[in-house]
Amino acid sequence: NAGVTQTPKFRILKIGQSMTLQCTQDMNHNYMYWYRQDPGMGLKLIYYSVGAGITDKGEVPNGYNVSRSTTEDFPLRLELAAPSQTSVYFCASSYSLGETGNTIYFGEGSWLTVV
Amino acid sequence: AQSVTQLDSHVSVSEGTPVLLRCNYSSSYSPSLFWYVQHPNKGLQLLLKYTSAATLVKGINGFEAEFKKSETSFHLTKPSAHMSDAAEYFCVVTLGGYQKVTFGTGTKLQVIP
Repeated sequence: NAGVTQTPKFRILKIGQSMTLQCTQDMNHNYMYWYRQDPGMGLKLIYYSVGAGITDKGEVPNGYNVSRSTTEDFPLRLELAAPSQTSVYFCASSYSLGETGNTIYFGEGSWLTVV
Repeated sequence: AQSVTQLDSHVSVSEGTPVLLRCNYSSSYSPSLFWYVQHPNKGLQLLLKYTSAATLVKGINGFEAEFKKSETSFHLTKPSAHMSDAAEYFCVVTLGGYQKVTFGTGTKLQVIP
């Protein structure tokens, strides 16, 4: 049981390039999330998904896109990378929204630098 | 609406002394509350969670937290700090029945030998 796995761990992008951060979970969780973490700012929700085929915007969705074709996978795509997207990205998952006390499980993080 | 405030951005303690990391929340409904720990260059790991059962919650590595509704607080404590406790700690609140997850801004714990 690997939990939440995200790749790559580190990446340097040039301004204007595009890339996809991969995320997969093996816990059969319905809910998946992408967060970004900036120093001193806590975590901000980019996008989330409540199940295969369903996604919705979080607090800071601009410049990103997601898809959820399977329960396991939730890739995050950065189009036209900008320096403001330099951050640490975390993928996470949880079992459901309706049950109280749902633990959110996090991946190890992806450090992205846009130069 | 809900919010969470971590009252200290940095806390420094000597090894072997008690740890207190403070968290206050506001929520219109009965919340679920969590503490996560993040070691450098790592993901967030669950320390403990409160889900309306016992108000004193015990977690991993000797940490515990007490839910105080009257004070809207969920402070994290440990009787004796260890060097390996040096990390960043996040208080998190979620709404039962509709999970809007709100993170605190984090508290960096420094442990001095």
